[in-house]
Amino acid sequence: AQSVTQLGSHVSVSEGALVLLRCNYSSSVPPYLFWYVQYPNQGLQLLLKYTSAATLVKGINDFEAEFKKSETSFHLTKPSAHMSDAAEYFCAVSETSGSRLTFGEGTQLTVNP
Amino acid sequence: NAGVTQTPKFRVLKTGQSMTLLCAQDMNHEYMYWYRQDPGMGLRLIHYSVGEGTTAKGEVPDGYNVSRLKKQNFLLGLESAAPSQTSVYFCASSWFSGANVLTFGAGSRLTVL
Repeated sequence: AQSVTQLGSHVSVSEGALVLLRCNYSSSVPPYLFWYVQYPNQGLQLLLKYTSAATLVKGINDFEAEFKKSETSFHLTKPSAHMSDAAEYFCAVSETSGSRLTFGEGTQLTVNP
Repeated sequence: NAGVTQTPKFRVLKTGQSMTLLCAQDMNHEYMYWYRQDPGMGLRLIHYSVGEGTTAKGEVPDGYNVSRLKKQNFLLGLESAAPSQTSVYFCASSWFSGANVLTFGAGSRLTVL
């Protein structure tokens, strides 16, 4: 069965600092992996997705994530945080083309001036 | 803009009352989903549909019913609301499952007193 664990329900960084949000997955087959972002009072939007093409995936707003099979991880990074990055971030996994997404519990990112 | 529209955005119910949440999408997506979002629990799938006239249970279906009479609409019903159903509900749609990206609505906040 597929599952996702996001380490850290709250992460706080200073503006301009590196953002690192951690995601580990469990899957019996090569998975599809996603990061979604939820800004206050809005629905979720796709940041990026991994579908086995390249292990380093670039998304919107300079976010990227690296698929590491040996570590079963798909951590999200951004070199320099902006105030506008403050939001909740969700990692999600799907095992096959026919399975549904399983979401992690979310990580709330706070960016301090 | 094209996308997923949820109505109503806010609703307060008394225990035992019934209500229906409406989700409409104009992207001709096959799959539609209803999730609930609760603090610290991420998004949990209530019910989903793989096409017009079909519905299926997700991980937390108890107390909810759904219908998909038209491809563009997916209704979520609460027959007898309970305080445990206080949550934010999100509708989403996609072409298919697996690697396909979900498009989310803005959410419906339901409070059951």
